[in-house]
Amino acid sequence: GQSLEQPSEVTAVEGAIVQINCTYQTSGFYGLSWYQQHDGGAPTFLSYNGLDGLEETGRFSSFLSRSDSYGYLLLQELQMKDSASYFCAGGLNRDDKIIFGKGTRLHILP
Amino acid sequence: DTAVSQTPKYLVTQMGNDKSIKCEQNLGHDTMYWYKQDSKKFLKIMFSYNNKELIINETVPNRFSPKSPDKAHLNLHINSLELGDSAVYFCASSPGGAGPYNEQFFGPGTRLTVL
Repeated sequence: GQSLEQPSEVTAVEGAIVQINCTYQTSGFYGLSWYQQHDGGAPTFLSYNGLDGLEETGRFSSFLSRSDSYGYLLLQELQMKDSASYFCAGGLNRDDKIIFGKGTRLHILP
Repeated sequence: DTAVSQTPKYLVTQMGNDKSIKCEQNLGHDTMYWYKQDSKKFLKIMFSYNNKELIINETVPNRFSPKSPDKAHLNLHINSLELGDSAVYFCASSPGGAGPYNEQFFGPGTRLTVL
């Protein structure tokens, strides 16, 4: 079956850098997206990697390696407002449904 | 201006009842979705419509029936509600197809509690 694996929780310190990993269990994911969800809120789109390599958007970067079936989200200069759950999401084909990982809860310590 | 709106925000009802959740998007998107997020925060797609046509229909009990009167609206009707239906239901939309390259815009969610 298709699945995406993420750590359930990660803890980091304000101002630091944190990496949230995502591995997928089937070959050929078309691309990998990342979403952020604050408690009680809706998921919001952060980034998409359609090709291998690093995509940078401000303090957030996302990486994909298809050969390793692996991606990560990198958050720099962590702020307390970054405390949230982060979901990776992928699809097998260009127009196929996306499957979400179970999410990583990011705790930020002052 | 609300991009994707859902009503109601909270829904508390008894087992066995029938209820509907409504969703509207004013983004001009072609594709709309219903997701279920359970208590463990697992987000799972249920249905997707593209220009009023059903394109994704996951393994969901047939008590759940989506309806898209036009491409800006996607409603979800649930018959004979069960305790396990308690969850947050999110509506979403995207400008193109259902694939991962398309940013999905989520509504605020409807928290359904079945007693």
